[in-house]
Amino acid sequence: DQQVKQNSPSLSVQEGRISILNCDYTNSMFDYFLWYKKYPAEGPTFLISISSIKDKNEDGRFTVFLNKSAKHLSLHIVPSQPGDSAVYFCAASARETSGSRLTFGEGTQLTVNP
Amino acid sequence: NAGVTQTPKFQVLKTGQSMTLQCAQDMNHEYMSWYRQDPGMGLRLIHYSVGAGITDQGEVPNGYNVSRSTTEDFPLRLLSAAPSQTSVYFCASRRRPDQPRVHNEQFFGPGTRLTVL
Repeated sequence: DQQVKQNSPSLSVQEGRISILNCDYTNSMFDYFLWYKKYPAEGPTFLISISSIKDKNEDGRFTVFLNKSAKHLSLHIVPSQPGDSAVYFCAASARETSGSRLTFGEGTQLTVNP
Repeated sequence: NAGVTQTPKFQVLKTGQSMTLQCAQDMNHEYMSWYRQDPGMGLRLIHYSVGAGITDQGEVPNGYNVSRSTTEDFPLRLLSAAPSQTSVYFCASRRRPDQPRVHNEQFFGPGTRLTVL
């Protein structure tokens, strides 16, 4: 039972354009959502997060949008750069676990072409 | 700070062998976790700990043991390795939130690539 799903295994965009990565979840107890970025042969690194009390959080080129009614979140990267090429993981945390554990999606490989 | 360190980087085992994957962090983080990453499945939680002496099971705990005798270390033991445990293993840590519903950033180690023949 995959509670966090990233339906697109890969995404390819041109440098300078917008990248939109999507994530869906099924557990209504999730109240905090995070995006992690992973380069080959490295551990994931935190990118941006959003609490369920918000519907948008912005950090530089990265914006995360949360649609609670649709149980959907998305990560927008504008403008996309070749260095953004990586695997992006969506993750969620449920209030009953006090945030001690994260559930991850399958990941989306983003390729930004020069 | 070295952050989260994992050893070894690579390991090949035969079916039935046992081994311990080491994880250490020098950030005085209370929370530590072990994940495995498999193609098409993302990161799945194996075991986690919210403090020294406290551990709990994640999504895929079978075949693995953990202990947390110190804040710094969180070793993962494979009791009898199986080919299904071929994977990349990541250890992570983060600080306990000061307030409820605050989620501090989780820091990951570089991973251990394990192959079980």
